[in-house]
Parts: sequence; C-alpha cells; structure tokens
Amino acid sequence: KQEVTQIPAALSVPEGENLVLNCSFTDSAIYNLQWFRQDPGKGLTSLLLIQSSQREQTSGRLNASLDKSSGRSTLYIAASQPGDSATYLCAEEGGTSYGKLTFGQGTILTVHP
Amino acid sequence: DTAVSQTPKYLVTQMGNDKSIKCEQNLGHDTMYWYKQDSKKFLKIMFSYNNKELIINETVPNRFSPKSPDKAHLNLHINSLELGDSAVYFCASSQVAGQGEQYFGPGTRLTVT
Repeated sequence: KQEVTQIPAALSVPEGENLVLNCSFTDSAIYNLQWFRQDPGKGLTSLLLIQSSQREQTSGRLNASLDKSSGRSTLYIAASQPGDSATYLCAEEGGTSYGKLTFGQGTILTVHP
Repeated sequence: DTAVSQTPKYLVTQMGNDKSIKCEQNLGHDTMYWYKQDSKKFLKIMFSYNNKELIINETVPNRFSPKSPDKAHLNLHINSLELGDSAVYFCASSQVAGQGEQYFGPGTRLTVT
C-alpha cells in the first residue's frame, strides 16, 4: 500500500526566510511526484512535477528535489512571502497506477510579515 | 479561461437524496479524475476515466457512479446521500493517464444534513 507522509504538519516563519517542506513515500516504483498548493476554500494549484528520471525541478523561488532511493522529496521555498501562506501537498504517482495520485496530509505554511 | 470547472460550487442536501456534480475541462486532456477531500483535508482518489473509459475505480460505495459523456466531461452522480458523504469533491484532468501534471478544479463542497 502506497503511503505519503509530510513533515512538518504546520510551519510558521517570518517573511524572508528560506524554508524546506518534506515529503516521504513508500512506493519504490514511483513514476511522478507532484507538489501542489491549496489556499483555504480553493482548489489545488500545481507547483512542480518531478518525473522519476529527474532529481529536481525549479520554478521561480521554488525548488523541488526527488530522491527515489531514500523515498523522499523536498520543496524549498526561497525568500518566503506572506502570499506563500497556504497548505502544501505532495502526491506521488506509482508506475502502474494509471494516474492515481496518493496524497500526503499536507503542511500548513504561515508566513508572517 | 477556466481549465477545469465544476458545478455547483456548493451543494447542501438532505440524507437520502440523489445529486450530481458536473466537471468540464477545456485543456484537451484525455484523462479525468474524481477525488474526495474529507473533513481532515485528506485527499483520496475515487475514479479515473481515460477517453471515456473507466480505468480507476477505488473502493467507493456503489451509490457513487461516474459518467463520462465525452472526454471533456466527467460527472459524478450520488444516490441515497449519507451524512458521511459530506466532503469537498475535486475533479482533475491530465493529458494522458500516468503522464504529466494533473490540473484540479475548484471543488464542490457537499453538505448532507
């Protein structure tokens, strides 16, 4: 059974700090790992997708890494801003799951001015 | 330009009723999904259709029946609603099952009283 765990469950930082969100997964046959952002009462916004053949992806102030051997992914946010406050979800897609995403519980991030 | 849209956004109904949620994507994707987010914010896949064909059917009560009239639409019909069906239901799509990012709709908050 595939499981995804995110640590920490919640994180509060002052504006301007660099921060790391952690995601661990049990599926050794991972195909993709996707990071999402969810604002309160809203849908999910895709941030980054890392394919199993890749080690990292970058978009603006965001950098996501993938280490299949250790079953871990990290999302690095540089120079955090209050607008980054949201719940961050990671989801892994197994190699034979036809697109089925298994989600972690999310990390609630608060960036205060 | 809304990529993945859902209607209605909110749905309040009584136990025992039958209701439907509609989803449409204008991305030209072949695969669509239904996810359920429970009160603890945990997201779990329910169904997936690839080009109108059911490819994922998780352990979901048979009161839930998805229907895909064409590959741009995936509807979810729920019979005999129960209190435990209260949740936020998200529709998503991807270009092909098992490849690429999944794009999510804004969600439908279902409340069963």
